[in-house]
Amino acid sequence: DQQVKQNSPSLSVQEGRISILNCDYTNSMFDYFLWYKKYPAEGPTFLISISSIKDKNEDGRFTVFLNKSAKHLSLHIVPSQPGDSAVYFCAARRSAGNMLTFGGGTRLMVKP
Amino acid sequence: DSGVTQTPKHLITATGQRVTLRCSPRSGDLSVYWYQQSLDQGLQFLIQYYNGEERAKGNILERFSAQQFPDLHSELNLSSLELGDSALYFCASSVGAGSTGELFFGEGSRLTVL
Repeated sequence: DQQVKQNSPSLSVQEGRISILNCDYTNSMFDYFLWYKKYPAEGPTFLISISSIKDKNEDGRFTVFLNKSAKHLSLHIVPSQPGDSAVYFCAARRSAGNMLTFGGGTRLMVKP
Repeated sequence: DSGVTQTPKHLITATGQRVTLRCSPRSGDLSVYWYQQSLDQGLQFLIQYYNGEERAKGNILERFSAQQFPDLHSELNLSSLELGDSALYFCASSVGAGSTGELFFGEGSRLTVL
């Protein structure tokens, strides 16, 4: 039972353009959502998060949008840079405890 | 550098064997989590410890066990290893048992079972 899904395994974008990574979830008990970035041979690193009481959170070039009615969130990267090339994981947390449920990841490739 | 240290980085062993993976959390973090990432898969939650006590359990096999010691480091024990146990095992830590949800991950231990 995949409660958090990232349906696009990979995405290729031109440098300077917008990257949009999508994530869907099924569990309405999730109250906090996070995006992690992972480079090869490294552990995932936290990128940006959003509480379920908000619909948008922005941090520099990164913006996360949450649509609770659709159980969908997206990460926008503008402008995309070659250094953004990595695997991006969407994660969700239930209100009880700190356990995160991760999606399968989307590999982003930003071409110079 | 996340501040979370995992050893060993790489481990190759045979089926039926037992291994121990070690994790030292960030200074001050009381929670330790273990995740498994199989080839091209997402991270699967195994288990969480908070200040020495088991806090939450995920899809952890009975052949696997973990503990958190008084100095807060944690060990994940994998026994009767099977080929399918080959994966990246990540440890993560956080300050509390339930906060903003941000976890700090180590670089992982890559286990190969032959």
